[in-house]
Amino acid sequence: DAGITQSPRYKITETGRQVTLMCHQTWSHSYMFWYRQDLGHGLRLIYYSAAADITDKGEVPDGYVVSRSKTENFPLTLESATRSQTSVYFCASTRLAGGDTQYFGPGTRLTVL
Amino acid sequence: GQQVMQIPQYQHVQEGEDFTTYCNSSTTLSNIQWYKQRPGGHPVFLIQLVKSGEVKKQKRLTFQFGEAKKNSSLHITATQTTDVGTYFCAGPPGTYKYIFGTGTRLKVLA
Repeated sequence: DAGITQSPRYKITETGRQVTLMCHQTWSHSYMFWYRQDLGHGLRLIYYSAAADITDKGEVPDGYVVSRSKTENFPLTLESATRSQTSVYFCASTRLAGGDTQYFGPGTRLTVL
Repeated sequence: GQQVMQIPQYQHVQEGEDFTTYCNSSTTLSNIQWYKQRPGGHPVFLIQLVKSGEVKKQKRLTFQFGEAKKNSSLHITATQTTDVGTYFCAGPPGTYKYIFGTGTRLKVLA
C-alpha cells in the first residue's frame, strides 16, 4: 500500500529557476491539496483540486501553478522560485469533501538560494 | 478571511502532567479535525468532531467541540514522551478546503 508519495524529498534551487514538486496517490481519492509549512504559520493551503482538471486557489497561491491531468497526480510548479518560497511542502488527499481524513505525504523540503 | 488560532503556541510539561490546547475559529465550522505531527514528520489524522458539544476520547486524549462550533480543545492526561509533537486543528469553512490552526508544539520532559 504505497499511499501518498512526494518527490523529491529534498531540493535546493536558485532564485528564478522553475521547480516542480510531484505528488502521487494510489487510493484514487478525488480531492488533493498542497500546503506549505513555515515556522509560526502552521500549514497554509496553496492550491486544491476536487477532481482531474478541476483546481482552485487556496490561501497563498501566488507564484505557484498546479495541474491535475490524472486523478492520482497533482504536481506543484514554482514558475520562478523566490527565497520566500523556501519551505516544507506537503501534499494531501482525501476521499470525501469537507469531512474526511486527510492523508499527508512525507513532505518536500525546498530551499531557494 | 477565516482564521483558526491555537493557544498556546508552545507548551513544555513534565512527563505525567496534563496538557490542553485550544482552537478558536473566526467562523462556524461544519466539523473540526485534529492532527499530530511528530518532529520531522508529516501531519497524521487523530479524530474528527461533527456535532455541537461533542466529546470524544482516545485513551488519554479527550477532544471537545464547542456548542457554537467555533472552538475546540484537545486534552492529554498524564503526558508521555511519545506525546511530543505539534498538534493542529483544522476545519472546513463550509467547503472542502481546510483551514489549519497555527498549531501547539508540545515538549514532554522526562
